[in-house]
Amino acid sequence: NAGVTQTPKFRVLKTGQSMTLLCAQDMNHEYMYWYRQDPGMGLRLIHYSVGEGTTAKGEVPDGYNVSRLKKQNFLLGLESAAPSQTSVYFCASSFQQGSGYTFGSGTRLTVV
Amino acid sequence: SQKIEQNSEALNIQEGKTATLTCNYTNYSPAYLQWYRQDPGRGPVFLLLIRENEKEKRKERLKVTFDTTLKQSLFHITASQPADSATYLCALVPYSSASKIIFGSGTRLSIRP
Repeated sequence: NAGVTQTPKFRVLKTGQSMTLLCAQDMNHEYMYWYRQDPGMGLRLIHYSVGEGTTAKGEVPDGYNVSRLKKQNFLLGLESAAPSQTSVYFCASSFQQGSGYTFGSGTRLTVV
Repeated sequence: SQKIEQNSEALNIQEGKTATLTCNYTNYSPAYLQWYRQDPGRGPVFLLLIRENEKEKRKERLKVTFDTTLKQSLFHITASQPADSATYLCALVPYSSASKIIFGSGTRLSIRP
């Protein structure tokens, strides 16, 4: 009963470096999401996917790319990290639109 | 502008009392509202969902109300316990795009023994 697994849990990047955050779910959910959470702000949607092979932009997509090549995996990429991307990143999945989300435990990313 | 607001100040409640958290929204047409619990260093955990045409929903010691006239949802924890201490997030599911749930910034609840 793993649910949603995110790797890595922590990462420090230098400005301009790239990295990929991996999200894996074992619940056969169609919908997957990437959020960022910053102090004093709500979770903000970066990108989401309504099924394998599909992706769409959320509220704050700039500087990020995503891919959903397999139903169970949703990857978030940072091509050229900036200090403004320092945040905690959460992946989530859901069975259908609007149903309760299952979240991963988060990735704490610091860009120096 | 569209906003979803929760009390940013922490709520401190004596054990055994009822805790009531508020979620207000403006300029949204929500299909439904969700409530989540988040512990420090962890991801949010889904608790309850209430639909637009439902006035009240209960689950064990939890109760959620939804007033579309006031544009407000209330989240109640009865017989509160120290283990209920956490940050509680409300999330709005708009009719316009059910895949783009909007989260409030959360209210921190502390239950003192």
